[in-house]
Amino acid sequence: DSGVTQTPKHLITATGQRVTLRCSPRSGDLSVYWYQQSLDQGLQFLIQYYNGEERAKGNILERFSAQQFPDLHSELNLSSLELGDSALYFCASSVGGSLNTGELFFGEGSRLTVL
Amino acid sequence: DQQVKQNSPSLSVQEGRISILNCDYTNSMFDYFLWYKKYPAEGPTFLISISSIKDKNEDGRFTVFLNKSAKHLSLHIVPSQPGDSAVYFCAASQYTDKLIFGTGTRLQVFP
Repeated sequence: DSGVTQTPKHLITATGQRVTLRCSPRSGDLSVYWYQQSLDQGLQFLIQYYNGEERAKGNILERFSAQQFPDLHSELNLSSLELGDSALYFCASSVGGSLNTGELFFGEGSRLTVL
Repeated sequence: DQQVKQNSPSLSVQEGRISILNCDYTNSMFDYFLWYKKYPAEGPTFLISISSIKDKNEDGRFTVFLNKSAKHLSLHIVPSQPGDSAVYFCAASQYTDKLIFGTGTRLQVFP
């Protein structure tokens, strides 16, 4: 158990819909990262938040947005969903805002299926 | 542009033998490299890392080698055990920036 909690574990929805994925980081971790893993793809970095503020941005679509709340949990919002958005979405956390040790702690992921 | 590449999608090794997983990168500015292991239905977990100032780092059965001139790193597992069967991701970062992951190599260790 990494200590990172993601909900929901599975989600099935239709094209055009909007969903929200939630992540609670490990206790004491200030950074939250979102990664997307599509079929046969590596983990694609989407976005990082540190202590409530956006720290780094990756290949995140404009239809996607995220935020980190004062209690440090984070939400990833995916809107106008397309079939290609079907993927595993991982949240990870770390203590600092930069990768001092490089070690991220990952949740179990949220599997999104868009039909 | 895939900056971190794992060209072997899968690898099958007999128990007790050595497993060698390879990773190539294109960005010479990467200064920190990591390996993560992922079991089905679980998130990736950190395995071992190496800084660009080193060429080898060892942790028990796991050793990571870094060849900066070739922009290549490898993970050696000796001896391989059935419990090592998982997907292994190579990752790299630049100046403590975001991690860039490879596409993973599925290792199967058979008896």
